[in-house]
Amino acid sequence: GEDVEQSLFLSVREGDSSVINCTYTDSSSTYLYWYKQEPGAGLQLLTYIFSNMDMKQDQRLTVLLNKKDKHLSLRIADTQTGDSAIYFCAETYNQGGKLIFGQGTELSVKP
Amino acid sequence: NAGVMQNPRHLVRRRGQEARLRCSPMKGHSHVYWYRQLPEEGLKFMVYLQKENIIDESGMPKERFSAEFPKEGPSILRIQQVVRGDSAAYFCASSPLAGGEETQYFGPGTRLLVL
Repeated sequence: GEDVEQSLFLSVREGDSSVINCTYTDSSSTYLYWYKQEPGAGLQLLTYIFSNMDMKQDQRLTVLLNKKDKHLSLRIADTQTGDSAIYFCAETYNQGGKLIFGQGTELSVKP
Repeated sequence: NAGVMQNPRHLVRRRGQEARLRCSPMKGHSHVYWYRQLPEEGLKFMVYLQKENIIDESGMPKERFSAEFPKEGPSILRIQQVVRGDSAAYFCASSPLAGGEETQYFGPGTRLLVL
């Protein structure tokens, strides 16, 4: 089946860490992605992780993948007001072609 | 290297008119995907095309919607006889190839409003 689930809202204070969680269903996914969407804009690729990895770090971003539980998370360290946006996780379905997106998590960063 | 280009960025149509949305993939990318984002929702896959071929159209509505990616020129998503429920943001993405590096890069989207 095709299903990606995310919590809808997250609110943090500037300087704190944010953790956005995602669960997926397709165990054959090759890559899992995190995209950021600011209001009225397109999707910006933040990072991705190959399915044989457990963790990937890229500056303030850390992606953790638990393949057994089909759980993906994105940690943003030292969250800034400019990080306020909607964050989508996505998986490739059936090894190639379309992406299946979660509903998006709206991150609100308060000063 | 320019990113994925979409035009128009905003499109207003009256019910019953046709909407044509264009997408130029990134240079060197031969795979194009169209997604639709309804208000307050995530993106839903519509269609996946390579040059002159439709690979997967499992997300396309059966009627009124069509897509093409000709040998020359941009990919076109065409919606005939638009209805209010077609109002949404339509995003195009491109990737260099499938089965290897599959990362899709998105355009800025076309926001369609049907009056």
